[in-house]
Amino acid sequence: SQQGEEDPQALSIQEGENATMNCSYKTSINNLQWYRQNSGRGLVHLILIRSNEREKHSGRLRVTLDTSKKSSSLLITASRAADTASYFCAMYPPMNDYKLSFGAGTTVTVRA
Amino acid sequence: DTEVTQTPKHLVMGMTNKKSLKCEQHMGHRAMYWYKQKAKKPPELMFVYSYEKLSINESVPSRFSPECPNSSLLNLHLHALQPEDSALYLCASSQGTGTYYGYTFGSGTRLTVV
Repeated sequence: SQQGEEDPQALSIQEGENATMNCSYKTSINNLQWYRQNSGRGLVHLILIRSNEREKHSGRLRVTLDTSKKSSSLLITASRAADTASYFCAMYPPMNDYKLSFGAGTTVTVRA
Repeated sequence: DTEVTQTPKHLVMGMTNKKSLKCEQHMGHRAMYWYKQKAKKPPELMFVYSYEKLSINESVPSRFSPECPNSSLLNLHLHALQPEDSALYLCASSQGTGTYYGYTFGSGTRLTVV
């Protein structure tokens, strides 16, 4: 079952602009992960943020987590054509360390 | 080696065929997973293996049969599939089960059932 809801469903931006996408969830979590999937390929793990962390950076990626609002955001700065992909948040259901479930995803298109 | 390798990349099979998907990793990961992904949808968990033992079967039909011969290999045996089983099948691995690990995914096998 899907745990996270992402918005927007799709996003189109110009190269060099920033892209922000959000993930909301319903139950408490230990951590939240973000993945990228280029068209028709496997997923790539981007960032894992723990429930006691508020912000995390990796290169041009910035992830925030607000456990009081049960939401997370992924910011891609200075976007490039190669950032065109679908981005998924993922988390575990409560009391279940085996079943990583993915949100519906945000499709990002970066225009040259 | 930081990869999960899946073979074949593409597979077309008839509804009466028997085929297998293969997945291999040499990262020493002790948990391996099969996910199914339909077009424009998120991946859906099918099976979880932890230390070579099946830990989760997400009510997957018996025409899908997983096998974990050793800690590096994961197979998915297919038999008498239906056209609606056409999808991208993704294998993933992680250091262990639990909430501390990100997953490494393979590139997937795109399966078409005719």
